[in-house]
Amino acid sequence: GAVVSQHPSRVICKSGTSVKIECRSLDFQATTMFWYRQFPKQSLMLMATSNEGSKATYEQGVEKDKFLINHASLTLSTLTVTSAHPEDSSFYICSVPGGLGQTNEKLFFGSGTQLSVL
Amino acid sequence: SQQGEEDPQALSIQEGENATMNCSYKTSINNLQWYRQNSGRGLVHLILIRSNEREKHSGRLRVTLDTSKKSSSLLITASRAADTASYFCATDASNTDKLIFGTGTRLQVFP
Repeated sequence: GAVVSQHPSRVICKSGTSVKIECRSLDFQATTMFWYRQFPKQSLMLMATSNEGSKATYEQGVEKDKFLINHASLTLSTLTVTSAHPEDSSFYICSVPGGLGQTNEKLFFGSGTQLSVL
Repeated sequence: SQQGEEDPQALSIQEGENATMNCSYKTSINNLQWYRQNSGRGLVHLILIRSNEREKHSGRLRVTLDTSKKSSSLLITASRAADTASYFCATDASNTDKLIFGTGTRLQVFP
C-alpha cells in the first residue's frame, strides 16, 4: 500500500503567523490528495481536494485564502494555514487515494499534524 | 449533513469479548469503508464493502451492510487490548470522489 509522509507532526505557533504542512506520497504518484481537519474526539471533516497542476477544490465553508493548498508535483501537496488564530488549532490530516478505479476507495493517510496556535 | 452517525460513541469491553459498532448514513452509496485511528495518528483502512455486498470478513473483522436501512456494522471478534482505537465508517458522497466520515466509535479494550 501507499506510504504517506506528513510533516511536521506537531507545531506550535503564535497567532498571526503562517504554518505550512507537507504531505508526500512516497511510493506512487498521486494526482489527487485530500486534506481533512479533526477536532478532539470528533470525526474528520473534509477541507479540500488537492489536484496536481490545478486549483484545489474547497468544501463549503472552508476559506481558500485562509487555507492555501499547493499540489505542485505528483508526490507533494502542501497546506498553508495563513495568519493562524487560536480557532485554527486542530489536527490536520492528509490522505492519498490508493484504490484501483475510483479515487475514493481505500485512502492512505499521513500521520497527521497537531497545530496549536497560541 | 451527509455525515454518517455511529453508535455507540464509546464502548468499553474486556479482552476476549466481541465489539460491535454501527454506522448509519443518509444517501445512496457505491461502497462503505471502515477505518481505524489510534490516538493522535492518521487513519488506517480496515475493510471496504460494496453496495451489492451484504457481508464481508477480514481476519477478526466482520462487516455487514444493509442498503435498505442505510446501515452497516463492524464486528471485532475476540478483542485484544491492541484493538483500542477509534473506528470510523466512511461513505462515498453522491458519486463524487470524496469520502465522508462518520462520527466514530471510541473502543477501549481492557486487558
